[in-house]
Order: sequence, then C-alpha cells, then structure tokens
Amino acid sequence: DAKTTQPPSMDCAEGRAANLPCNHSTISGNEYVYWYRQIHSQGPQYIIHGLKNNETNEMASLIITEDRKSSTLILPHATLRDTAVYYCIVSGYSSNTGKLIFGQGTTLQVKP
Amino acid sequence: GAVVSQHPSWVICKSGTSVKIECRSLDFQATTMFWYRQFPKQSLMLMATSNEGSKATYEQGVEKDKFLINHASLTLSTLTVTSAHPEDSSFYICSAKRGRDNEQFFGPGTRLTVL
Repeated sequence: DAKTTQPPSMDCAEGRAANLPCNHSTISGNEYVYWYRQIHSQGPQYIIHGLKNNETNEMASLIITEDRKSSTLILPHATLRDTAVYYCIVSGYSSNTGKLIFGQGTTLQVKP
Repeated sequence: GAVVSQHPSWVICKSGTSVKIECRSLDFQATTMFWYRQFPKQSLMLMATSNEGSKATYEQGVEKDKFLINHASLTLSTLTVTSAHPEDSSFYICSAKRGRDNEQFFGPGTRLTVL
C-alpha cells in the first residue's frame, strides 16, 4: 500500500473551514484514499473515502487532484468537537486484504 | 449505521495471566476483522487480520502464540493476550469490514493494564 505524508499538526478557528492536506505520490490505480479521525481515547471514526472523483458527505468533502498524488479533506464549518487526529490512508480495494495502515496523522486543534 | 462493540472497555490484570477481548459487529456481518494496538501518543499499529473460519494473518513482529485470535462467527472475533506482562499494557482496538464495501468500522477500544 502507498505511503502518505501529512503535516503533524494544524490549527483552525471554530466556524471556519479546516483544510487537511495529504500527499500520496506513490498511489496506484486501484488504491482508494480513506480518511479517518480519532478523538482522544476512542476508536477511529470513518469520515470519507474516494478513488479519483471528489466526494462529499454529511461530515466532509474530499478533493483528490487529477494526478491522484495528493488530496485534501475539508471540514466546512469546524467545531470544537472536530478536534482530533486525522488519518489519511491509501488502501487497495480487496476482499482479501483491505488493510488500513495508519501513519502519524494530523492533529487538528479547533480553537474558539 | 454500522456499530462495532468491544468488551471489556478496560481491564486490569496481574502479570502472567491471560486476558480475552471480544469484538462484535452488532448490525452487520463482518467477513474480516482487524486488531490494532496503540501505545500512548502513537498511531495505531495493525497486529493481525482475522477472517471468519480461518486462521488469522499476523503482521511481522507480532507473536501469534502470545496474541491468540479467534473469528468463529461473522459477528465475533476475540483476541486473547496470553501470559500478559506490563509491556503488553496498551489500547487494543478492533475493526470490522462490512462485506459489501471496503469501509472499516472501529470498536471503541479496550485499555489493558498489566500490573
């Protein structure tokens, strides 16, 4: 599975959009980009995933560049409850594996 | 929604004893479950992949005789930490993959403290 690179930390003002970048320059054609977040001492929470098209759900939007070498997770109106570690993971869509290998993620601190 | 539970949520045990942690998918069948370990201020580390009805596949460096995994049904996987020692104290998290897609749903985690 391709490796991802994320900034270790970011700050965001409450109510503003939080844009979390992720580089995955070695991504292969059948690999998806997944985003999870982990609030302190809890299990990770699924946010969104995509292959090559931009995706949006009730939590966030995922923007994937045309060459698929990077992506951005957008939380449109960050709240204090969005403070968490955000993980960008690249994984193949396989019924036999589908392993998620977590990197260090980005610690997002939403400030009032 | 897809809910995964873990039991117990925390456990304290004496060194040398064995501890069993259960992971259940409550509203879907999970053909594959995963077990992770997380030390303080670190990321999640994948320990093993568990497929229903077959032997678990362990990641490199994880002792299969120490961390016994059983996936006897489509809704239950168990992790047994045998002869636990203080260095096994950690946050253990499971996830379950729903059959129709590749989304994984995580349990709330089990905090193990070995005295």
